[in-house]
Amino acid sequence: GENVEQHPSTLSVQEGDSAVIKCTYSDSASNYFPWYKQELGKGPQLIIDIRSNVGEKKDQRIAVTLNKTAKHFSLHITETQPEDSAVYFCAASDAAAGNTPLVFGKGTRLSVIA
Amino acid sequence: EPEVTQTPSHQVTQMGQEVILRCVPISNHLYFYWYRQILGQKVEFLVSFYNNEISEKSEIFDDQFSVERPDGSNFTLKIRSTKLEDSAMYFCAIRTAINYGYTFGSGTRLTVV
Repeated sequence: GENVEQHPSTLSVQEGDSAVIKCTYSDSASNYFPWYKQELGKGPQLIIDIRSNVGEKKDQRIAVTLNKTAKHFSLHITETQPEDSAVYFCAASDAAAGNTPLVFGKGTRLSVIA
Repeated sequence: EPEVTQTPSHQVTQMGQEVILRCVPISNHLYFYWYRQILGQKVEFLVSFYNNEISEKSEIFDDQFSVERPDGSNFTLKIRSTKLEDSAMYFCAIRTAINYGYTFGSGTRLTVV
């Protein structure tokens, strides 16, 4: 089955700097890669996702890149703000293969220091 | 984006007792999931449910667990005889269609004492 590795486990950046979180996956059949932000005591909230037919997607300060050959994808947050502080999870699945569940990485705790 | 409401938000139960966690999606949906997250760990898949039956389950989802949609709207997770290691956040998730993203509920914190 799918295995998703995520690095780093913790990340501290100064406000205004960029943050990059990286994930690798093992199953070449995976074609859907979402990123979730989880704040304390809340459920995961989808912030951006990418499908395997594109290499990059951007939404304001957040971007995701995908390298299918190397089986890795990354989350980039620019101009970080204190409210970006949270745990971020990457995930992967074969979205077209019936009801295949998401497989999550272990998460990255991002701290943005004002 | 559809909302997903989970009740209760927090449940404390004695070891060996049965618990039922509820999920109420607001809008039309096809695919239902339960995930759990032990404190400080990653989100783990438990079970997926489609067309009123289980379509996939993980090794965590043993005979102590069951799911159902009793009234065509609520989606429930039952743990028959809780163990201490069942203490975790339990998240319901839905997808409206096969190519749509997942929406997670805010979770139920289960504490087994």
